[in-house]
Amino acid sequence: DAKTTQPPSMDCAEGRAANLPCNHSTISGNEYVYWYRQIHSQGPQYIIHGLKNNETNEMASLIITEDRKSSTLILPHATLRDTAVYYCIVTKDYKLSFGAGTTVTVRA
Amino acid sequence: DTGVSQNPRHKITKRGQNVTFRCDPISEHNRLYWYRQTLGQGPEFLTYFQNEAQLEKSRLLSDRFSAERPKGSFSTLEIQRTEQGDSAMYLCASSSLSVAGGPDTQYFGPGTRLTVL
Repeated sequence: DAKTTQPPSMDCAEGRAANLPCNHSTISGNEYVYWYRQIHSQGPQYIIHGLKNNETNEMASLIITEDRKSSTLILPHATLRDTAVYYCIVTKDYKLSFGAGTTVTVRA
Repeated sequence: DTGVSQNPRHKITKRGQNVTFRCDPISEHNRLYWYRQTLGQGPEFLTYFQNEAQLEKSRLLSDRFSAERPKGSFSTLEIQRTEQGDSAMYLCASSSLSVAGGPDTQYFGPGTRLTVL
């Protein structure tokens, strides 16, 4: 699976949009981009995934660049409960390879 | 709650003892996965079942580890002769075959935190 690069940490103000970048420049054509988050001491929570089109669900939006070498997860209105480690994963099969992720801290 | 459940949530044991964890997947999911997460790291894949068949085992899964899914429903993960290095969060996830193609979406349980003294 392709390797991903994420910033180690970022802060966000409550009520503002949080934009989380992910670089996956070696992604291959049949690999999907998945986002999970993990709130302290809990299991990872699925957020969203996509192949090449932008995706939106009730939690977030996923913007994938046209060349698919990077993506951005957007949390439209961050709340304190969105404080977590966010993982960007690229995979074409069942094996999820979690990196270090981005620690997002939402501040009041 | 119809999510993935894991028991126990916490286990403290002494080095050399055997421990067993249980995972109950989402009821209609035929695929089940075990991961291990050590402090400060992301989860690492251990093994994968489709129904009752164990289809892949990571090299992280030493001979002291065994996982079963006897009837294709719940699964158990046993660690024999525990070592201090086994201290970690053990996570279970489940999924069903994706009808849209591509990987399944895995849903995780809360994990079992193991501390080996």
